[in-house]
Amino acid sequence: KAGVTQTPRYLIKTRGQQVTLSCSPISGHRSVSWYQQTPGQGLQFLFEYFSETQRNKGNFPGRFSGRQFSNSRSEMNVSTLELGDSALYLCASSLAGGGNTEAFFGQGTRLTVV
Amino acid sequence: GQSLEQPSEVTAVEGAIVQINCTYQTSGFYGLSWYQQHDGGAPTFLSYNALDGLEETGRFSSFLSRSDSYGYLLLQELQMKDSASYFCAVTGGYQKVTFGTGTKLQVIP
Repeated sequence: KAGVTQTPRYLIKTRGQQVTLSCSPISGHRSVSWYQQTPGQGLQFLFEYFSETQRNKGNFPGRFSGRQFSNSRSEMNVSTLELGDSALYLCASSLAGGGNTEAFFGQGTRLTVV
Repeated sequence: GQSLEQPSEVTAVEGAIVQINCTYQTSGFYGLSWYQQHDGGAPTFLSYNALDGLEETGRFSSFLSRSDSYGYLLLQELQMKDSASYFCAVTGGYQKVTFGTGTKLQVIP
């Protein structure tokens, strides 16, 4: 079966712009989580969506938002980009969320803010 | 909130055994997971412990002690391909999954 697909893979944006990243989960998976990964910071949790509802949220400013569609595809948006937003953004899909079901990660979108 | 601590780097010799520790703090606890991530790659699931004790999967084993808020990943018969970053992740209240900052394992000949 197809894995988790994230688009685009690479993105360069200017400070102050906004960006939308997309994640297509594995077919049948209803939970999609988003993480920001930077060197030395590990994977920092952004939010989790389950059946189109945001179920959990991390400690990121309101500039970071997301949504999930009825087909479980998810998007995250970052407005008013800052240099510190440069990172690898990973999404993970699983059947029902939580840690007891294996989460499958996409290859990520590498965002560079200049 | 949730927080985890794990060593930032570990070096071990090919063929040896290495243990990567993880301590956590969480309000509500469902389980502890481990993920492996090679440079430039996506994290991949290794194991999940919900109950105390040792879970073995081939060369990898994972241990959990809920009373100590502690777990570890044990890698046996180390191979060069095991060089990667290893993340522990705790599932806490509301099924929220929080990852540690990762342990970079370097396997040397």
